[in-house]
Amino acid sequence: AQKITQTQPGMFVQEKEAVTLDCTYDTSDQSYGLFWYKQPSSGEMIFLIYQGSYDEQNATEGRYSLNFQKARKSANLVISASQLGDSAMYFCAMREGQGGSYIPTFGRGTSLIVHP
Amino acid sequence: EADIYQTPRYLVIGTGKKITLECSQTMGHDKMYWYQQDPGMELHLIHYSYGVNSTEKGDLSSESTVSRIRTEHFPLTLESARPSHTSQYLCASSAGGRAADTQYFGPGTRLTVL
Repeated sequence: AQKITQTQPGMFVQEKEAVTLDCTYDTSDQSYGLFWYKQPSSGEMIFLIYQGSYDEQNATEGRYSLNFQKARKSANLVISASQLGDSAMYFCAMREGQGGSYIPTFGRGTSLIVHP
Repeated sequence: EADIYQTPRYLVIGTGKKITLECSQTMGHDKMYWYQQDPGMELHLIHYSYGVNSTEKGDLSSESTVSRIRTEHFPLTLESARPSHTSQYLCASSAGGRAADTQYFGPGTRLTVL
């Protein structure tokens, strides 16, 4: 079974609009971490934001925020005021201890295209 | 900013050649990883290391091998390259193995085997 599910293979957004990229996860651990990465066409993976399972507040980093709903096991990435440079693949990842030995698991990614 | 380096960035070679992809990090991270990724697709973990003299195989069956003789260096070797090895290879490191430890990635090596 998929540990990380990203159901949107592709998303389109108008420049300056906000966009939400979905991520659901599956774990029986109490302690785990959730991450989002951006991968532009150049291929490098850029760390964006982290949310711990015990964090009560949603993580924010500049224009990025993570909508963490623990009961639903979802960790959606919200990008506010989209820019053309936000066009990239976005990957959700999880680190868990039990059964995972804290080896990160990645989703299949969502391709985001920002239109001018 | 992460300091993790991969060389070469691009490599085109013929079938049967032995190749080594280099990965180095200057952050003193104990844990290092190698991923294989086809364009626009998910990452597949092929090898990881907890520290010096520690190497483990990942989820994806791979014909490659790795070594970890020094903390900062984690090279990946293909003894006999095949066209099926054509892919992007990403190296990553993290300070430890806890849930909160962020992985930092190198720029990747794009390998084409003819």
